[in-house]
Amino acid sequence: NAGVTQTPKFRILKIGQSMTLQCTQDMNHNYMYWYRQDPGMGLKLIYYSVGAGITDKGEVPNGYNVSRSTTEDFPLRLELAAPSQTSVYFCASSYSATYNEQFFGPGTRLTVL
Amino acid sequence: EDKVVQSPLSLVVHEGDTVTLNCSYEVTNFRSLLWYKQEKKAPTFLFMLTSSGIEKKSGRLSSILDKKELFSILNITATQTGDSAVYLCAVGTGVTSGSRLTFGEGTQLTVNP
Repeated sequence: NAGVTQTPKFRILKIGQSMTLQCTQDMNHNYMYWYRQDPGMGLKLIYYSVGAGITDKGEVPNGYNVSRSTTEDFPLRLELAAPSQTSVYFCASSYSATYNEQFFGPGTRLTVL
Repeated sequence: EDKVVQSPLSLVVHEGDTVTLNCSYEVTNFRSLLWYKQEKKAPTFLFMLTSSGIEKKSGRLSSILDKKELFSILNITATQTGDSAVYLCAVGTGVTSGSRLTFGEGTQLTVNP
């Protein structure tokens, strides 16, 4: 099993550009999450999904959109990139809502200039 | 608003020392407390605690939860340079639509030879 995979690993965007960060998991997890981690900080939840077709906002959803058309994929869309979105983005998934252990992808380092 | 506070934010020790990392929380619908280790990449899971007073151990690492006083500690004995990392505490909260983790800022541990 590959676990949670993310693409791309690195990306530089200009202000106002858009992009999609891809996340795929092969563990048949229903629950998937997107976090951002700013330098020296913990992870902040952007969006999460409890199953295909169901998504909800986390702590910091502004400037982002998500969709969940399949169990495996949970892409994160950035519209009109801003320097404040410079961060490392982690996707995670979990099997159980009750026990909450989440498995993380390797991250995407995004710079907006 | 759910809140997780870790202390200290950074710690420098010598190999062989024992360290204690702290995590306190104020959340609604508590389900679990998790510890992760992050070494310049994705967080990796260490422990999940759901019951007070039951110590979890893995080699030189151990952790315990106090649900009355709303805190947890992570102990590392006989530290090694390979223990150098950011240690993240996260609290899992159960909401009707799924599970969420709220992360603390992390403790940066540096172990010098």
